[in-house]
Amino acid sequence: NAGVTQTPKFRVLKTGQSMTLLCAQDMNHEYMYWYRQDPGMGLRLIHYSVGEGTTAKGEVPDGYNVSRLKKQNFLLGLESAAPSQTSVYFCASTLTLQGARTDTQYFGPGTRLTVL
Amino acid sequence: GESVGLHLPTLSVQEGDNSIINCAYSNSASDYFIWYKQESGKGPQFIIDIRSNMDKRQGQRVTVLLNKTVKHLSLQIAATQPGDSAVYFCAENRGGYNKLIFGAGTRLAVHP
Repeated sequence: NAGVTQTPKFRVLKTGQSMTLLCAQDMNHEYMYWYRQDPGMGLRLIHYSVGEGTTAKGEVPDGYNVSRLKKQNFLLGLESAAPSQTSVYFCASTLTLQGARTDTQYFGPGTRLTVL
Repeated sequence: GESVGLHLPTLSVQEGDNSIINCAYSNSASDYFIWYKQESGKGPQFIIDIRSNMDKRQGQRVTVLLNKTVKHLSLQIAATQPGDSAVYFCAENRGGYNKLIFGAGTRLAVHP
C-alpha cells in the first residue's frame, strides 16, 4: 500500500492563479482531511470529508474549495491564490467506522506551495 | 479561545538522555490526546495517544502522562536517539468526525 499520497510536491503560483492539489489514499478510509502548516505553527484544518460526495468546513476554510467525487481522492482547490496561502499543505485520512474517535489519522508527505 | 499549546519551542538533549516534551490544554472537556512526530520534509506520524480515563500510557521507549487537574500532558522519550530528532506535536481530538486541534510543536534536537 502506498498509504496517503499528494500531488504535486512543490508548486509556485502567481497571485490570482488557480490550482488543485490532489490527495489519494489506498486504505479504503472513510474520512479525509486537508490541513495547512505555517512556519512555527501546528497544523490547522481547512476542510474535511466524512465520505464520498460530502465535505465540510474546518477551522480556516476561506479561499479554498474541496471535492470528494471518489472515496479514495480528496481535492483541494485554490480559485485565486493569495500570498497568505503560502504554506505547506497536508492531507490525512482515517478509517473511522461508526464514529470511533480513536482511529489514527495517516498523513501524506505534504505539498509546499508558494504564492508570489 | 480554547487551544492546545506547548511550553518550549526547542529542546536540546544528549544522546542517551531522557527527553520530556510538555503540552498544555485549556479545554477542560478534552478527553482524548495524541502525540505526533514530524521529521523534516515529512507529514506527522502517530506516536501514542491517551484518553482522559487514563493518567499514563506506555509505548516503545515513549510514555505519555496526563494530568487533568492542571490540564497538562507530557511525552517522555527514554534513551533519546539521533533518529528522535524531529518536531513533536500534541493534538486534541475534539470529537465529531475525528477532527484534530494541533499545538504549535516542540523541536527536539539530539546531540551525540
